Amino acid sequence: SAVISQKPSRDICQRGTSLTIQCQVDSQVTMMFWYRQQPGQSLTLIATANQGSEATYESGFVIDKFPISRPNLTFSTLTVSNMSPEDSSIYLCSVEDETATTNEKLFFGSGTQLSVL
Amino acid sequence: AQSVSQHNHHVILSEAASLELGCNYSYGGTVNLFWYVQYPGQHLQLLLKYFSGDPLVKGIKGFEAEFIKSKFSFNLRKPSVQWSDTAEYFCAGTPNTGNQFYFGTGTSLTVIP
Repeated sequence: SAVISQKPSRDICQRGTSLTIQCQVDSQVTMMFWYRQQPGQSLTLIATANQGSEATYESGFVIDKFPISRPNLTFSTLTVSNMSPEDSSIYLCSVEDETATTNEKLFFGSGTQLSVL
Repeated sequence: AQSVSQHNHHVILSEAASLELGCNYSYGGTVNLFWYVQYPGQHLQLLLKYFSGDPLVKGIKGFEAEFIKSKFSFNLRKPSVQWSDTAEYFCAGTPNTGNQFYFGTGTSLTVIP
């Protein structure tokens, strides 16, 4: 099964600054996803990141606000730009491991707890 | 350590059979619990959630879950499954203080027509 390392695990940031969240996978995966869970709400998909192409953003999310990099099949970053308190949330990296030999093909990082002051 | 565990890794049912997927969490304080579903080729979708109040929570598509504090459980149920329920189901929890989000490893459900 894929093991995901996500960092930082938490951060407190000032309004107007930017934070880059890293997601490292211990195996090559095609599909990587970035989710957000705002306080008291369900998990929301921000974008799908595929290696070699631009990320695909969901409705309500734009590249200028959440630029994503996917330089190779084991790594991705999500940047939260020009942060405001409304960006305070848990951000989750997720991967689909097509090589998994069990039925557990979707794996998640432990999340990044972001608080914006 | 805080965690969410799902004991059924792969479940196969015939249409119209009843479904119960187990979920247990380990956390001593107040916790918010969720069930998510991922249909083939799609991203996660929320089925239902429990924050407080009535421990029997009803979600979309006829699913429900019961929070039993004494058993640290939040099992998902559906009285009669359909072929379209074939998907991966994830239980998840987060402490009420808003710390990290914990997912179970998922249960793959296959419903045979």
